Amino acid sequence: EPEVTQTPSHQVTQMGQEVILRCVPISNHLYFYWYRQILGQKVEFLVSFYNNEISEKSEIFDDQFSVERPDGSNFTLKIRSTKLEDSAMYFCANLDWKINEQFFGPGTRLTVL
Amino acid sequence: DAKTTQPPSMDCAEGRAANLPCNHSTISGNEYVYWYRQIHSQGPQYIIHGLKNNETNEMASLIITEDRKSSTLILPHATLRDTAVYYCIVRGGYSGNTPLVFGKGTRLSVIA
Repeated sequence: EPEVTQTPSHQVTQMGQEVILRCVPISNHLYFYWYRQILGQKVEFLVSFYNNEISEKSEIFDDQFSVERPDGSNFTLKIRSTKLEDSAMYFCANLDWKINEQFFGPGTRLTVL
Repeated sequence: DAKTTQPPSMDCAEGRAANLPCNHSTISGNEYVYWYRQIHSQGPQYIIHGLKNNETNEMASLIITEDRKSSTLILPHATLRDTAVYYCIVRGGYSGNTPLVFGKGTRLSVIA
């Protein structure tokens, strides 16, 4: 079964630094999402991306966040100036139109010190 | 916020059926009921979804009441690997591209 992959699995950074989280989606799945989960809390939607532009975003997804698909395959989430409260698991997801199901990657654990 | 209510936790003996309830009393006519689960800190995993008819796949069965105000996810023969947080999500239309809104879910513990 095809899988969504994410790199790195764990990222440690200093507050104020920029981080880029990467996702390799399942081919032919054209809708992409980022979610995050702060330790012990709910999974929260950040942004959806389709046809090379943002489709929908939540209040969490402010100006310090950006997404892009730089090379037609990878899908990235950039946090420009990390804060302590950005520490969380970040999950990438793809949509399979045929079965109307979102496939999630294993996540990247971001730790901001 | 999530439109569903689930018990925070449940236990189930290994090999027995796990029945996870969900209340969604404000569900509207075009909204589907989706179930996902999250094993430890892994990414959420799709289980099943339905509109008004009962549904079954290789993982589980979904029973939706006739008034659609509640549903039950059934894992017919729970194993230790089914220990996870189970999320019941109500979602508008058949448009799978809408974001998922997760609640706190039910933490299912399968006990040997």
